[in-house]
Amino acid sequence: EAGVVQSPRYKIIEKKQPVAFWCNPISGHNTLYWYLQNLGQGPELLIRYENEEAVDDSQLPKDRFSAERLKGVDSTLKIQPAELGDSAVYLCASSLTQAHEQFFGPGTRLTVL
Amino acid sequence: GNSVTQMEGPVTLSEEAFLTINCTYTATGYPSLFWYVQYPGEGLQLLLKATKADDKGSNKGFEATYRKETTSFHLEKGSVQVSDSAVYFCALFRNTGNQFYFGTGTSLTVIP
Repeated sequence: EAGVVQSPRYKIIEKKQPVAFWCNPISGHNTLYWYLQNLGQGPELLIRYENEEAVDDSQLPKDRFSAERLKGVDSTLKIQPAELGDSAVYLCASSLTQAHEQFFGPGTRLTVL
Repeated sequence: GNSVTQMEGPVTLSEEAFLTINCTYTATGYPSLFWYVQYPGEGLQLLLKATKADDKGSNKGFEATYRKETTSFHLEKGSVQVSDSAVYFCALFRNTGNQFYFGTGTSLTVIP
């Protein structure tokens, strides 16, 4: 069974540029999560989807971050414009339902110059 | 509020040494507790979990016991291997709010 797939694995951009991350969850998993992991820290939830509905986006900085999960499968996370402080690893995870174990992707390491 | 506190690393051990990584938590109600492991360049993988007080989670020689009286979930392994080198995250999950709270992670390096 394929795991959670994320792309790109690494991204380097200049500040004020836009950037997008893509996540393909495990087949059949209804719940999808985006986490932010700063260096030396644990993951922090940005947004959680149940199918195509964003049910918890309270930690998403909506002035520059946006996310979508069209058709309730793949998801994209976008930052526009990026700031220096956005440099981090962006993790995607999925689970069968919100009550089940989360499976994490390898993450996208973003560097903003 | 809800939070997890882990012992700070990095931790360096010789192969076959005994490992303890301390984890304490603050939470209302009865959370589930987890240990995740993150190998270099990879995502987090569930190592073990415990869903109620006095439960012991175990996997790959690692163990942790859910201690409600001390609000702790310390990770232990009797004999570490070089391949155990990774970052270990303690986490709690509360059904109310359906959210994970992760500790800051503890980096472990095992030297031959």
